[in-house]
Parts: sequence; C-alpha cells; structure tokens
Amino acid sequence: GDQVEQSPSALSLHEGTGSALRCNFTTTMRAVQWFQQNSRGSLINLFYLASGTKENGRLKSTFNSKESYSTLHIRDAQLEDSGTYFCAATYGNEKITFGAGTKLTIKP
Amino acid sequence: DMKVTQMPRYLIKRMGENVLLECGQDMSHETMYWYRQDPGLGLQLIYISYDVDSNSEGDIPKGYRVSRKKREHFSLILDSAKTNQTSVYFCASSFGDQDTQYFGPGTRLLVL
Repeated sequence: GDQVEQSPSALSLHEGTGSALRCNFTTTMRAVQWFQQNSRGSLINLFYLASGTKENGRLKSTFNSKESYSTLHIRDAQLEDSGTYFCAATYGNEKITFGAGTKLTIKP
Repeated sequence: DMKVTQMPRYLIKRMGENVLLECGQDMSHETMYWYRQDPGLGLQLIYISYDVDSNSEGDIPKGYRVSRKKREHFSLILDSAKTNQTSVYFCASSFGDQDTQYFGPGTRLLVL
C-alpha cells in the first residue's frame, strides 16, 4: 500500500554475506511483521514487533515507530534464504498494509 | 501443530461463475483474514473477521463477501467472478488483531 515503502525491490547476495531490508512508513504504525515467501509460495512468519529489536538466528529486525521505519538484517546468508520478503504494518483501526516485497536471491 | 488450511489450492472458473474459497485453522484464533496477492502489489487485505459473525471490510472488499459461522472456518465468496479477480488468495489467522498472523498455503484462482 501507499503507506509502506519497501526497499530494495530486489537484492542479490553471495552465500555467507549479509545485508538489510527496509520498510519506511508514511504514517504512524503500531506494529510491524516480517514474512518470507519461499519458492513454493508459502508465507513464513519471521518477526512481529510493536517496538524495539528481535533476533532469531541469522535474522534480526528493528522497528522504530518514532522515525517510521523497520529493518530486517540477514547475516551469513544461506541458499534457503532466497525468496521474497514482505513487511506488513498495522495502523489506524487495525488496518494492515503490506510492502511490495523484496526479492532476495542468494548465490553460491 | 499450528496450522491454517485452504481449500481448494487451485481453481479455474469462468467469468460470472460463483467461487467459494475455504479457510480453516486449528488454533482457536479469534481473528481471521483474507488477502489477495498480485505481482508488484504485495498482499492486500480484503476482509478481516474478529470472531463469528463479526466481519469488517479491508482495503479492497468490492466484489467479495465473507462468512464466518464457526470460529475455525472463514469463507471467501465471489458472486459472479470477474477476470480481474484472478489472483492468489491467502487466508491468515491470529489470536487478536494485534498479534502474529499465521498464513495458509494460498489458493491460486484463475477466472477465464
């Protein structure tokens, strides 16, 4: 939606490297959720944040509601990390809006 | 094992036909959602259901209606399908509308 700007739209990484994905919000968001959509099309929950930072293995996500952005950091990328990553944010009367996604390709 | 199921997984219909997409969850989640996913648009919320017979329009409800008669089931209905409703439809559920959403595997709908 217009409220969520996700970048980059596509990203290519070599195995073992890392990078960050970002979502900028044009309105105050109450929470953000990150998903990975794998090659089969399944959506996998990664993180749900109302504020602060969460970490899980090689992934770390931060949500800064004051500055209206969220990031997803991937380190030591593996082939199975390939897929499309979406952020989804909650605002207003429980409205939920998704970013357009970042297509991540991990190369050997 | 937490699970959201969707039936059917693939469906081909002709323009003007009725379409019924079913979603089930075994987690006793109160809140359920229907989204559609189109290239370049991410996922867009069609309807949200806060509990049985407590449904609310999402961002793109036109052309769709929903039914939630049991907490574990949430149906999406297209009365007289249109070609622009060709899409991948995802159902999701969560404990409350502020909580993590769990997604089903998706239904690929083709309207000819």
